[in-house]
Amino acid sequence: GAVVSQHPSRVICKSGTSVKIECRSLDFQATTMFWYRQFPKQSLMLMATSNEGSKATYEQGVEKDKFLINHASLTLSTLTVTSAHPEDSSFYICSARGGASTDTQYFGPGTRLTVL
Amino acid sequence: QKEVEQDPGPLSVPEGAIVSLNCTYSNSAFQYFMWYRQYSRKGPELLMYTYSSGNKEDGRFTAQVDKSSKYISLFIRDSQPSDSATYLCAMKRGSGNTPLVFGKGTRLSVIA
Repeated sequence: GAVVSQHPSRVICKSGTSVKIECRSLDFQATTMFWYRQFPKQSLMLMATSNEGSKATYEQGVEKDKFLINHASLTLSTLTVTSAHPEDSSFYICSARGGASTDTQYFGPGTRLTVL
Repeated sequence: QKEVEQDPGPLSVPEGAIVSLNCTYSNSAFQYFMWYRQYSRKGPELLMYTYSSGNKEDGRFTAQVDKSSKYISLFIRDSQPSDSATYLCAMKRGSGNTPLVFGKGTRLSVIA
């Protein structure tokens, strides 16, 4: 149980385009989903917390107009990187809280974004 | 001082060795402690979850929390090459949506 999927697993795009990443909880309802980014050999940095049906809460320094988060249902959250630039290239990972143990987070496999 | 400190390694051990991974933290409000394993280019996988002080064992893994010393450990017995990964400690102050604070992760290599 407690499986989280992400799609796509990797994406390469041109500078200036927008990219959407999906995060799904496959076997449980996730009241809360989290979005992280991870640079090589660095730890996970929380970008935002999203609750189903409400606006996401962004961490300090994260531009909400650049990283659009939608949590439309209890099993799906999306992160859209708008007008992507090379410095946005990173590993983006979502996690979901819910299931049998609501105090733990279950992570997706991550999406590697490369902006040319 | 960072909230959570973790030696990034790399740590290299022979197969069958006992591995000890550690984190220290500065915020005494942390109550929930977790260890995640992350393989290269994959998302973190939850290994152990502990509330407050004490020990927890699951197969070859043992997690220890010493809140008086603000120190947590993960022990891996009879280590295997498949244990080679980055191990991240994480902790949070309260239940619910309280954010996780991660250590930098320790890279472990188990040599056959």
